[in-house]
Amino acid sequence: DARVTQTPRDKVTEMGQEVTMRCQPILGHNTVFWYRQTMMQGLELLAYFRNRAPLDDSGMPKDRFSAEMPDATLATLKIQPSEPRDSAVYFCASGLAGSPQPQHFGDGTRLSIL
Amino acid sequence: DQQVKQNSPSLSVQEGRISILNCDYTNSMFDYFLWYKKYPAEGPTFLISISSIKDKNEDGRFTVFLNKSAKHLSLHIVPSQPGDSAVYFCAASPLTGGNTGKLIFGQGTTLQVKP
Repeated sequence: DARVTQTPRDKVTEMGQEVTMRCQPILGHNTVFWYRQTMMQGLELLAYFRNRAPLDDSGMPKDRFSAEMPDATLATLKIQPSEPRDSAVYFCASGLAGSPQPQHFGDGTRLSIL
Repeated sequence: DQQVKQNSPSLSVQEGRISILNCDYTNSMFDYFLWYKKYPAEGPTFLISISSIKDKNEDGRFTVFLNKSAKHLSLHIVPSQPGDSAVYFCAASPLTGGNTGKLIFGQGTTLQVKP
């Protein structure tokens, strides 16, 4: 069964440190999404890519967050410098554009910034 | 601005009874709607969807109803089982004008099914 793989599953670090989260989308999917889940906001869309090109990153704090797709099998989300308010679960999802296909989610990275 | 709203944070139902989860949306451009289910420490998994050309879609114990005029959809689970206990997210997307695949999620409703 094809799955979206996210690493690490858990990350605890101190404020000010750089954090990198990685995602391997399902092979053949051409759209990759990054979401953040918090108690207050539910699932917020941070950014998404189509065929490795960024389509929309309006949900992302630009000053400290960056998202890239170095190749079709890897998407990264970086936070530098990290702050306690960034503590959340970050999900990656992938899908196939052009038809109403549901997005498939990874199991998330639980990030805690102390 | 919350374009997709799930106004009930939680719902408790007895096993065997019907669970009804509700979702409201404000953007009339949305024409494709999905429900995702999420267990603790896992990612959301797709449950059922409906496009705006329909008002009902059924898959086993799960049925989604769409009322476009009221901008409201609901998920019915009949009969409810303890394994259905999870967080349920409603999501919406504009299909027309280019399918970007972008989904807007509600805040989720935690369903507890008691044995």
